Amino acid sequence: SQTIHQWPATLVQPVGSPLSLECTVEGTSNPNLYWYRQAAGRGLQLLFYSVGIGQISSEVPQNLSASRPQDRQFILSSKKLLLSDSGFYLCAWSSGQFGGYTFGSGTRLTVV
Amino acid sequence: SQQGEEDPQALSIQEGENATMNCSYKTSINNLQWYRQNSGRGLVHLILIRSNEREKHSGRLRVTLDTSKKSSSLLITASRAADTASYFCATDNFGNEKLTFGTGTRLTIIP
Repeated sequence: SQTIHQWPATLVQPVGSPLSLECTVEGTSNPNLYWYRQAAGRGLQLLFYSVGIGQISSEVPQNLSASRPQDRQFILSSKKLLLSDSGFYLCAWSSGQFGGYTFGSGTRLTVV
Repeated sequence: SQQGEEDPQALSIQEGENATMNCSYKTSINNLQWYRQNSGRGLVHLILIRSNEREKHSGRLRVTLDTSKKSSSLLITASRAADTASYFCATDNFGNEKLTFGTGTRLTIIP
């Protein structure tokens, strides 16, 4: 069966520090991969999505970047965090056949 | 940008009652999906309804879709305390496999 792993679960980082969040998927190949951010009590904002290795589409210009070094690995990064980067980050995958998404358990990022 | 808007933003009902949540969207869609999110957790896919379908059932869930009104509703029958969560609709637009989520309905089931 397919599983998705996202870590860490919580992270507190100082302003100006770098960020690396990792997401991996098991049990499937060539998934579509997504990074979403959720502000407190709000809906989800799509940040990046990828339909293949090295293929990244950015939805919102910001202080973040994404990479897909392997088929089932999706990384969200920042060189210098801002206070406004705080939020709940969710990774998800889909089969790319207009079906449902499977989400990871999320990372709560607090920038202080 | 948000495609879907859920209504109401918050809903509290007694256990055993039915809960109805509504979603409106703006553009043509390929399908509409509903997700549940428990506090501080990831989202769980509940049900998907395609644009050529009008109603779909899954256990205690019933989803309707009215493409002429660009709206959908999620009905949870015989609610349980475990149904307490936020519920989001999401649309998958034609030619575009990116899901756009609404702002969610926070459902509280009172035991």
